[in-house]
Amino acid sequence: KQEVTQIPAALSVPEGENLVLNCSFTDSAIYNLQWFRQDPGKGLTSLLLIQSSQREQTSGRLNASLDKSSGRSTLYIAASQPGDSATYLCAGTILNMNRDDKIIFGKGTRLHILP
Amino acid sequence: DTGVSQNPRHKITKRGQNVTFRCDPISEHNRLYWYRQTLGQGPEFLTYFQNEAQLEKSRLLSDRFSAERPKGSFSTLEIQRTEQGDSAMYLCASSTQGEIYNEQFFGPGTRLTVL
Repeated sequence: KQEVTQIPAALSVPEGENLVLNCSFTDSAIYNLQWFRQDPGKGLTSLLLIQSSQREQTSGRLNASLDKSSGRSTLYIAASQPGDSATYLCAGTILNMNRDDKIIFGKGTRLHILP
Repeated sequence: DTGVSQNPRHKITKRGQNVTFRCDPISEHNRLYWYRQTLGQGPEFLTYFQNEAQLEKSRLLSDRFSAERPKGSFSTLEIQRTEQGDSAMYLCASSTQGEIYNEQFFGPGTRLTVL
């Protein structure tokens, strides 16, 4: 069974600190790795997508890395702000032989930035 | 707005009633996905369509659930004889089929509460 695990489940840090969210996956067949943000009661906002041939992606204060050999990804947030408070979801894309794809999500890390 | 839209955004119903949700994908996207997210969990794959064909259904999709995409554009997800355990956020996503993986774009979700 494919699984995506996120640690920690919740995290509180003071404003301005840099932080790292961790994601691990059990299935080497994961093709791409994506990080999403979800605000309470809302849908998903895609933050970064790391394609199979890539090792990392950067967008503003966010940097995501992917190490398929170890089954790990990290999301680095620099200079955290109260507006970064949300749940961050890690998701891996599985491709079958027919190139049908589906996303396997972790349970998320609830991040709270303290003003 | 050219993103994925879902209606209604919120639905409250009594146990035993039938409900239907609608998803309008991004217009040029031929793939459409449904996910379910319960409180504190990541979204879980339910089913997906390529054009009007339903290609895969998760074991989570019991006989009370049915999804259609009759013209290969919008999709509906119907739940018959709702149960309290059906309370969740129902998310829709769309993508294009290509030679390589194409990113799924998510809608805002429909939050279902079964009383």
